[in-house]
Formats: sequence, C-alpha cells, structure tokens
Amino acid sequence: AAGVIQSPRHLIKEKRETATLKCYPIPRHDTVYWYQQGPGQDPQFLISFYEKMQSDKGSIPDRFSAQQFSDYHSELNMSSLELGDSALYFCASSLGLSSYEQYFGPGTRLTVT
Amino acid sequence: QKEVEQDPGPLSVPEGAIVSLNCTYSNSAFQYFMWYRQYSRKGPELLMYTYSSGNKEDGRFTAQVDKSSKYISLFIRDSQPSDSATYLCAMMGTSYDKVIFGPGTSLSVIP
Repeated sequence: AAGVIQSPRHLIKEKRETATLKCYPIPRHDTVYWYQQGPGQDPQFLISFYEKMQSDKGSIPDRFSAQQFSDYHSELNMSSLELGDSALYFCASSLGLSSYEQYFGPGTRLTVT
Repeated sequence: QKEVEQDPGPLSVPEGAIVSLNCTYSNSAFQYFMWYRQYSRKGPELLMYTYSSGNKEDGRFTAQVDKSSKYISLFIRDSQPSDSATYLCAMMGTSYDKVIFGPGTSLSVIP
C-alpha cells in the first residue's frame, strides 16, 4: 500500500540558510501534520492542514511556515536556520480531521551546520 | 511535569518473553490512546488505538486503558527480535485534538 512520501530524506544546510521539506500524503488522505523530533525526544507537533487550510498549530517557530496545496501535498519552509533546528522532521497524514489514526512518513533528517 | 510520562528504558528481554510497556498521564480529558512503534531512523508506525477505557487485542499485541488510574499499557506476547524498537504512547482528548506523545521506551528483544 502507498505510504507517506517525504523529500528530501536528508538535508544539510548552513546557519541562516533556508530549507523546504515536502510531504506527499497517502492517496485520498486530506489532512497533513508536521512534527519535529530531536535526538532521543518524542515528536513535537508543529502544524496541521485539512483541505488546504491550517487546522491546528503547535510549537512552530515564526521562522517556519507551511502550506497544503490543491493536490494535498504539503511543504514546510524553514528560514534563518539555526543549529537547534537540526532534527528529524516527520509528516503524517490522515483521512479527515480525526487525528488518532495518523500514518507517518520516513522523515527528513535536517542537519544545520 | 510532562502531560505523558513513560519509562525511557532501555528494556531488554529474551526472545519469547511477555513485554509490558506503560504510560501514565495527567490530563483526565484524554479519550483516545495510541501506541506507535518506531524503528531507528524511521517514522513512527501506528500499532493500535483505543477509545476510552478497556482492552483491545491485535495478534500478539494487547492495549489496556485504565482511565481511573490514568494508566495505559501495551503487552507484547511471544516477543521477537523484530519487536526491538522504541514504543511511543500517544493520546488526545477529542478526535480533533493534537496528539501528545510520550517520550518513548526503547525495547531490545535478545535472540
């Protein structure tokens, strides 16, 4: 079965650069969630979109923005990168707003040097 | 104090053992309880979810929820080396809330 696709899988950026992470949800899933997971940490919710509208917001820095497009894929834009932004970024998708059944992608490992 | 507490382990058991993984929580509004398995460098994989109190069984996995004690458990029977992973409990109030994850328990099943 098709899963959530994330690209790129690995990304290395320097401080103050920008990065764009992409997420392609499971076909027919209309809700996308973004999480940040630091080493040895649990995933921290950043933001979610349902039907191309922001549905919830967590601990997302103002330097980050995201959107969901008409084909339901989503992009997380990160500017003025800091060393502390180095983490695994996961995207998850679900069908509808009921978020107890989320399916996670493989993640993008971002390293800021 | 975090909303969801989980013993980080590591927990090491011999193959075939019964494993018990637990989480406690403080928010009595939580109604949905999930267990995720995360292999190293992979995304969390949903194992099971339950609503409110009670038990749910799926193959070798059994999830239990005791809302009166604010305590949830995941039991793994006949554990296999392939079960070696980090297990994250997660919960939410209504089905539209954001998911709150526990810190995860690292499990190693030794052949």
